[in-house]
Amino acid sequence: NAGVTQTPKFQVLKTGQSMTLQCAQDMNHNSMYWYRQDPGMGLRLIYYSASEGTTDKGEVPNGYNVSRLNKREFSLRLESAAPSQTSVYFCASSEALWSGGLDTQYFGPGTRLTVL
Amino acid sequence: KNEVEQSPQNLTAQEGEFITINCSYSVGISALHWLQQHPGGGIVSLFMLSSGKKKHGRLIATINIQEKHSSLHITASHPRDSAVYICAVAVGGGADGLTFGKGTHLIIQP
Repeated sequence: NAGVTQTPKFQVLKTGQSMTLQCAQDMNHNSMYWYRQDPGMGLRLIYYSASEGTTDKGEVPNGYNVSRLNKREFSLRLESAAPSQTSVYFCASSEALWSGGLDTQYFGPGTRLTVL
Repeated sequence: KNEVEQSPQNLTAQEGEFITINCSYSVGISALHWLQQHPGGGIVSLFMLSSGKKKHGRLIATINIQEKHSSLHITASHPRDSAVYICAVAVGGGADGLTFGKGTHLIIQP
């Protein structure tokens, strides 16, 4: 099993450009998440999908959109990139819908995005 | 919004020392997670707990729900334990993601 995969690993954009970060998991997990990690701050939730067909905003959703394409794939789109979106982006997945939080989250390797 | 505070932010110790990393949170939770972020950036889950204590090898995690506090201990520390250790909490059903602390950067010197 590959676990959680993310593409690309690195990306440089100019302000105003758009791009989509791809995430896929092969563990048949129900829930998927997008986080961003910035220096001096903890990981912060951007969007999540509790199950196929549903998506919800997290703590920092502004400037992003998501698509839960199917049970395996959850993409994150930046429509008009801004320097404030320079960050490392992590996708994660977990198995159960209602586990009371007692459910391992599996993380992808991350995408390092720079917006100039 | 749940605030998650970790201490210390940075910790340097000698090989073999007993390490303690602390985590406190502000509101009730359904579970607490400890994760490890390797120098290369990958993040792995170490523990999930809602009460009591868990042990895995040289790592021990404890939680006190009444005091809203958790500790991660590393016994007989080794340079390969050098990493960032992150505390995160889940509220409610848990399908809506985790709230993370800023992490503790641990360096174990030979």
